[in-house]
Amino acid sequence: GQNIDQPTEMTATEGAIVQINCTYQTSGFNGLFWYQQHAGEAPTFLSYNVLDGLEEKGRFSSFLSRSKGYSYLLLKELQMKDSASYLCAVIESNYQLIWGAGTKLIIKP
Amino acid sequence: GAVVSQHPSRVICKSGTSVKIECRSLDFQATTMFWYRQFPKQSLMLMATSNEGSKATYEQGVEKDKFLINHASLTLSTLTVTSAHPEDSSFYICSATTGTSGGFSYEQYFGPGTRLTVT
Repeated sequence: GQNIDQPTEMTATEGAIVQINCTYQTSGFNGLFWYQQHAGEAPTFLSYNVLDGLEEKGRFSSFLSRSKGYSYLLLKELQMKDSASYLCAVIESNYQLIWGAGTKLIIKP
Repeated sequence: GAVVSQHPSRVICKSGTSVKIECRSLDFQATTMFWYRQFPKQSLMLMATSNEGSKATYEQGVEKDKFLINHASLTLSTLTVTSAHPEDSSFYICSATTGTSGGFSYEQYFGPGTRLTVT
């Protein structure tokens, strides 16, 4: 069946680095997204991975291993504004987008 | 670019009334729009996929007669919650894609969401 697992909540310190993991079991694979969602707002696009490896975009990087069904989002030089939920989503072979429940990231000063 | 708007941003209505939510792609043509619902502290739940000029495809468990979707043009889709009840109170979010291939969307551009409260 379809399943995407992310930690429910994580806490990190301002200025530090945090890694949010996502594991998935889906019917085929056509790519994985990471979205950021602040409370009460719609999600915003962070990254898209379809090939194995690391994609770096400023302070945020996303990694994918298709053989392991695993991805992570790495956030560096954490800022208070990074406090948000981070959603992992996978496109299956039938092009359905399957969403994880999201990881709430709490940044402390 | 790729801006999606929603209107209204907040709405309070009485039980039994209907509410219409508009989703517009402002600077691109969206062949496919998606409607999501999100309850507090939960992830997005896809309600339906809407293709311009054709009937929407509803996810299992979503009542198509209660949640009416009209994708009248390449820039506008509407969701009407008919005979709303308090349990319909939620955050409704639309998203749009610039192109599809079998429903595949490289990136979904999200609207800001509409918070519906039914009293």
